[in-house]
Amino acid sequence: ETGVTQSPTHLIKTRGQQVTLRCSSQSGHNTVSWYQQALGQGPQFIFQYYREEENGRGNFPPRFSGLQFPNYSSELNVNALELDDSALYLCASSPADKEDGYTFGSGTRLTVV
Amino acid sequence: AQRVTQPEKLLSVFKGAPVELKCNYSYSGSPELFWYVQYSRQRLQLLLRHISRESIKGFTADLNKGETSFHLKKPFAQEEDSAMYYCALRASGGSYIPTFGRGTSLIVHP
Repeated sequence: ETGVTQSPTHLIKTRGQQVTLRCSSQSGHNTVSWYQQALGQGPQFIFQYYREEENGRGNFPPRFSGLQFPNYSSELNVNALELDDSALYLCASSPADKEDGYTFGSGTRLTVV
Repeated sequence: AQRVTQPEKLLSVFKGAPVELKCNYSYSGSPELFWYVQYSRQRLQLLLRHISRESIKGFTADLNKGETSFHLKKPFAQEEDSAMYYCALRASGGSYIPTFGRGTSLIVHP
């Protein structure tokens, strides 16, 4: 049974650019959630996908968008990057029919310069 | 709206001392509370949930609805308990979308 994998692990982008982060969910998990974790803060919910549909969204602007694919992997896209987007982006998967908690990936560290 | 407050950014204790990591929440409905832990160089992982009423690695947490708290306790801290601890809340019966607190760093000195 594989865990949650995220790519890339680190990324440096310039303000105004666009970025795509990727996540492969744990085997058997059909729900994927994305979180942003700024330095010294807890994870902040961005959105969740269930069976390729957005299933909930946090307080993030529309330039944060996502996708979920038939194999339940997911992408987070951020357009028009701002300096404050610099953070650790966490992906977490969970089985929709159980409530055993998330399985988190190691995260992607995004730095916007 | 739901909110989780962890008042301490850092908690420093000596091995063998009791530990209490505080968590207070704000939510008008029926909450489910969780504690997540992140050890050095490891991923964030679920430690325990209040519904399970179980002890994990010697840690327990009791949901106190009157005080809106879910403090994490351990009677005798071990060095390997040093980690970041996050309290999280979700609305009971809803989608699994927990709200996290900012975290408390626990350091257990030898």
